[in-house]
Amino acid sequence: ETGVTQSPTHLIKTRGQQVTLRCSSQSGHNTVSWYQQALGQGPQFIFQYYREEENGRGNFPPRFSGLQFPNYSSELNVNALELDDSALYLCASSSSGFEQYFGPGTRLTVT
Amino acid sequence: DAKTTQPTSMDCAEGRAANLPCNHSTISGNEYVYWYRQIHSQGPQYIIHGLKNNETNEMASLIITEDRKSSTLILPHATLRDTAVYYCIVRAPRDDYKLSFGAGTTVTVRA
Repeated sequence: ETGVTQSPTHLIKTRGQQVTLRCSSQSGHNTVSWYQQALGQGPQFIFQYYREEENGRGNFPPRFSGLQFPNYSSELNVNALELDDSALYLCASSSSGFEQYFGPGTRLTVT
Repeated sequence: DAKTTQPTSMDCAEGRAANLPCNHSTISGNEYVYWYRQIHSQGPQYIIHGLKNNETNEMASLIITEDRKSSTLILPHATLRDTAVYYCIVRAPRDDYKLSFGAGTTVTVRA
């Protein structure tokens, strides 16, 4: 059984640029959630996708958007990057909505 | 908007049981108690969850008080690899699309 994978591992972007982060769900999981974790804090929920539709959203602006594909892989897109967007971005997959299984994260640095 | 209170940090001796407390005095009748942990530079890992009965799995035991206002996660024989941030999360079925992480408890297992 393949776990949740994310790419890239690390990324450096300049303020104002756009970034796309990718996530492959664990086999058999049809739901993916994205979280942002600033240094020293717990993860904060961004949004969730279920069967290619957004299924809930946290307190993040519209420049944070996502996609889920028929194979249940997912993308997180962030436009007009700000310095405060520097964080670890985590995706988590699930099938029942109970246990969420997290990937290792993508470390984004905005300069 | 975390609904739980945990100590900021605690130390534990290797080989001994680690008892991690969590207060959730405003928990509702249909809300579950979840525990996740995050080892440095990794994504959070699901440990266990429960509603009102005590639960045990291969990783830990969860003891929930009768009034459900607090719980304790027990790592029966702590190892150095159990050093991590432990998050106690209260989650309602209607919120099944997100986990609300607080600051967690930083547990350091010492040899």
